[in-house]
Amino acid sequence: EIVLTQSPGALSLSPGERATLSCRASQTVSSSYLAWYQQKPGQAPRLLIYGASNRATGIPDRFTGSGSGTDFTLAISRLEPEDFAVYYCQQYGSSPTFGQGTKVEIK
Amino acid sequence: QVQLQESGPGLVKPSQTLSLTCTVSGGSISSGVYYWSWIRQYPGKGLEWIAHIYYSGSTDYNPSLKSRVTISVDTSKNQLSLKLSSVTAADTAVYYCARERRGFYGGNWGYFDYWGQGTLVTVSS
Repeated sequence: EIVLTQSPGALSLSPGERATLSCRASQTVSSSYLAWYQQKPGQAPRLLIYGASNRATGIPDRFTGSGSGTDFTLAISRLEPEDFAVYYCQQYGSSPTFGQGTKVEIK
Repeated sequence: QVQLQESGPGLVKPSQTLSLTCTVSGGSISSGVYYWSWIRQYPGKGLEWIAHIYYSGSTDYNPSLKSRVTISVDTSKNQLSLKLSSVTAADTAVYYCARERRGFYGGNWGYFDYWGQGTLVTVSS
C-alpha cells in the first residue's frame, strides 16, 4: 500500500495569500497518477486536479498541481473566501489511498 | 450531469451486515468507461477506498477489507450495492459512492470525479 503524507496539517492564511500544500508518497506513484480534492463541511470531496497537474472541469486556474515520483504539490495562487477547506491527495497508481488532509483556515 | 445517491440504514448492530445502495442518474453504469466505487470517511476525517466494480461485474477490493466486502451492480436499475459483514464500531463512517475514471494511460484504478452526498452509518447496539 502506498502511504500518502500531507503537510502541513493545517495552514492559517488570509484571503489573497498563496497556499502551498505538499503530498509525499511512500513509493513512486506510477504515471503521476495523483489527484487532489477539496472538501467543505458537510459535503463530499470535490475533484480539483488529476494526473498530478490537470485541472478538473470548472476548476479555476488559481489551482495548480505539480510534481512527480513521490513528491507532489497543490498551489492556490490567491486564496478566495470559498477556498478555505480541507484538501486531500489521492494516488491511483495502485490500490487507491488518500492522504490525511491539510486544512486551510482563515487567519 | 451525473448524480449519485446513497441509501440504506443509518444504524447497524455490531456483528451484522451493513448494506447500502447507490442509485446513479444522468448517466449509465453500463457505459463501459468508468468504474464505480465505494469510499468511506471516518469521523476523524480519514478517507478509505473500499472497492470498485465495472459494469461487467469485474471487481477489486481494498486488501484490508476484502474478506468482509461484497460489491455488486444492477445495470437494469443503474445501481451499485455494498455489503460489509461482521461490522464493529470501527466501521462507523460516512459511506460514499463515486464514479471512478481511469488514468490517461489506463490501469486498474482511477480518480473520483463524481461523488454522492454520502450516508452516515453508525455501528452500535
